[in-house]
Parts: sequence; structure tokens; C-alpha cells
Amino acid sequence: QEKVQQSPESLIVPEGAMSSLNCTFSNSASQSIWWYQQHPGKGPEALISIFSNGNKKEGRLTVYLNRASLHVSLHIRDSQPSDSAVYLCAVTGGYKVVFGSGTRLLVSP
Amino acid sequence: DPKIIQKPKYLVAVTGSEKILICEQYLGHNAMYWYRQSAKKPLEFMFSYSYQKLMDNQTASSRFQPQSSKKNHLDLQITALKPDDSATYFCASSQDYRVEQYFGPGTRLTVL
Repeated sequence: QEKVQQSPESLIVPEGAMSSLNCTFSNSASQSIWWYQQHPGKGPEALISIFSNGNKKEGRLTVYLNRASLHVSLHIRDSQPSDSAVYLCAVTGGYKVVFGSGTRLLVSP
Repeated sequence: DPKIIQKPKYLVAVTGSEKILICEQYLGHNAMYWYRQSAKKPLEFMFSYSYQKLMDNQTASSRFQPQSSKKNHLDLQITALKPDDSATYFCASSQDYRVEQYFGPGTRLTVL
């Protein structure tokens, strides 16, 4: 059974700072790893995904994957108050997706 | 216009009753999913369907039964409701398992 752990549980950063979120998973054969953003009372929205070892950059987002250490991280450059939300790490294996419990990010103005 | 419709938005039920949660997607996607999210547990995968066929089922209880009458519909029937079933149920869809999933607004179920 795939396990996905996220850290920290919550994170407070000042506006303009870098936000760094971590995720570890248990199965190195997992397919893609996705990051989703969820605002209160809303469904999650996909932000970025990665499949191969290394990094991927999209706008202010950069994701790093190391399959050997079963670790993936998300970095948000120049964090804005509108980035305040819960961030979910999701590991896919075929048609099954396992989500972590999330990191609650608060960006203070 | 909303691309994924979930009905109702809020639902209150009594223990032992049966309810059906509705999900329709207008994104032209081939795969649909159900998830559950409560204060006690993270977003929990329940079912996945592709071209109206069950692809994966991670729900231990047979009280939860998905129903797909059309390619863009995936309803969730829950029987013999228990207070522990109280949660927000999200429907999602994707073109296939390799790409991002789009989530609906959720149905918040409270079982008294």
C-alpha cells in the first residue's frame, strides 16, 4: 500500500519569500508525482507534475524528484498571499492516486 | 459554466438510510474518479472508472457502489449510512490516468 507523507504540516512565510514543501513516498515504481492546491471549501487543482528524476520548472514553481530517496519537493518562488492554501502531494500508480495529508501554507503580507 | 457538476452541494442523512451522490463532467474526459475527504483523514481515493469500466476500487465496504449510466456520469450510491461516512465527497475526471485530474466542488455529507 503506497504511503505518502508530507512535511511540514503547516508553513508560514512572508510575502516574497521562497516556500519549500516536502513529500516522501514509499514505492519507487510509482508513476507521476503531482502537486495539487486546495483552497477552503473547494476541490483540489493540479499545479505541476514530475515523472523523471531531476527538476521541472513552471513559472514560480519548481519541483524536484529523487526516486532513490523517494523524495519530492515543491518550491514556490516569490510567494504571494494568494498562494495561501493547502498543498497536496499525489502519487499515481495506474488509475489509483494516493494523496498525502497536505501542507497548509500561509503567506503573510 | 462549471465543467464538473456535483449534486447536491450539501446532504444531511440519518443513520441507516441510503443516498446517491451525482457527478457529471463536461470536459470530454474518459476517466472519472471518486474521493472522500474528512477532518480525520487526508483525501482518500475510492474508485476509478475508464470508459465506464471499473479500473480500481480501494473502498473496503460494499456499501459504496459507483454507478455509470453514461460516459460522463459517475454517481455514488451509499447504503446503510453511518456517522463515520460524514465527509466531503469529490468527483474528478481526467483524459487518462497519466494526466492531471480535474475535481468537482464536492458534496458535503453529514450523517446524523
